Amino acid sequence: QVQLVQSGTEVKKPGASVKVSCKASGYTFTNYGINWVRQATGQGPEWMGWMNPNSGDTGYVQKFQGRVTFDRDTSTATAYMELNSLTSEDTAVYFCAKGGFGSGSYFDLWGQGTLVTVSS
Amino acid sequence: DIQMTQSPPSLSASVGDRVTISCRASQSIGSYLNWYQQNSGNAPKLLIYAASTLESGVSSRFSGSGSGTEFTLTISSLQPEDFATYYCQESYASRAFGQGTKVEV
Repeated sequence: QVQLVQSGTEVKKPGASVKVSCKASGYTFTNYGINWVRQATGQGPEWMGWMNPNSGDTGYVQKFQGRVTFDRDTSTATAYMELNSLTSEDTAVYFCAKGGFGSGSYFDLWGQGTLVTVSS
Repeated sequence: DIQMTQSPPSLSASVGDRVTISCRASQSIGSYLNWYQQNSGNAPKLLIYAASTLESGVSSRFSGSGSGTEFTLTISSLQPEDFATYYCQESYASRAFGQGTKVEV
């Protein structure tokens, strides 16, 4: 079954870090990009960046540069997103999504989402 | 950065209605435009990519058109499962999403 399965709900205090996992199955993990998208309640999705699981190359949206890291473990077909220095503004559902590379790509497979709540 | 603006933010419709949603890009993006459907609490689902190509398995009552800066998603005959929020996304540069159009009763 082609799917992306994400790790569970996280509750963090301001200033902490969170690491979300995304395990791929049913397709060749290294042939497609993994994108990370977050969505705050009542807002549209916000793209955070992408990773090439084959090469490890990454691209981060400027807003998150220096605060987010994408990584992967090809042996387990799992992608990771780590976000540091959390504030209440980071409270959102975080999704991983499979996509192509470069212009014209689209996200045709999504994880179920991971709720990250930042609260003191 | 490219900004994506959808209209209307919400609309009321009935089963069987023809529904049209608009999406405008702040600069030309060619045909690099995707449409997604999201039901509350779920991940977005890809409907259309490259402005007008229907994703496999998606009903043919969904169609997309446009190029450059103006795009449209049309639902030819609204079904009960189509009451949801729809997002456009540019895939030319920053993968920016619009703010969504909620289709409700």
